[in-house]
Amino acid sequence: EPEVTQTPSHQVTQMGQEVILRCVPISNHLYFYWYRQILGQKVEFLVSFYNNEISEKSEIFDDQFSVERPDGSNFTLKIRSTKLEDSAMYFCASSATGPYQETQYFGPGTRLLVL
Amino acid sequence: AQKVTQAQTEISVVEKEDVTLDCVYETRDTTYYLFWYKQPPSGELVFLIRRNSFDEQNEISGRYSWNFQKSTSSFNFTITASQVVDSAVYFCALLYNQGGKLIFGQGTELSVKP
Repeated sequence: EPEVTQTPSHQVTQMGQEVILRCVPISNHLYFYWYRQILGQKVEFLVSFYNNEISEKSEIFDDQFSVERPDGSNFTLKIRSTKLEDSAMYFCASSATGPYQETQYFGPGTRLLVL
Repeated sequence: AQKVTQAQTEISVVEKEDVTLDCVYETRDTTYYLFWYKQPPSGELVFLIRRNSFDEQNEISGRYSWNFQKSTSSFNFTITASQVVDSAVYFCALLYNQGGKLIFGQGTELSVKP
């Protein structure tokens, strides 16, 4: 069964460093998302992406964040200068044909720890 | 405003008991979609069910069943004859029709003891 994959599974970084989280969505999916989950809290939407541009972003997704689809298979989230409060689990998700009704399938997550 | 409330933070049951996880949502949209996801201890988010606002039929899948009631804005999830493997955090979510944003509840941590 096709699935979303994410790398790395864990990342430890120093405050102020840049990190790139990578995702490979399900191959025929067209809509891509990033969410984050601070430890013990609910899952929060960051950004949705379609046709090489951002469709929607939350207030969390400030100028320190960016997303990119550098090739036909990868979808990345970059945090330019990490802060302690960026420590969280980051989930990538994808959906098939549209954001308004389709099920979003999630990857296993990348646990980011900022020291 | 779009909002999902899961009032039960933690539930603990003994194996084979039935358990219901509550979900109440708020939305002004007339067409909307609701979801349940499971997050086992390993951390991934596993899709369980999607329900649209036009379909109020209850759904059963094995030991899982869902009760959707528009009149009370609720979408409750029942596990029958619970098993230890059901231990997880369960999230209810509402799909906001702008940009495909999923709005999650706080989650209910279910612990099933042998």
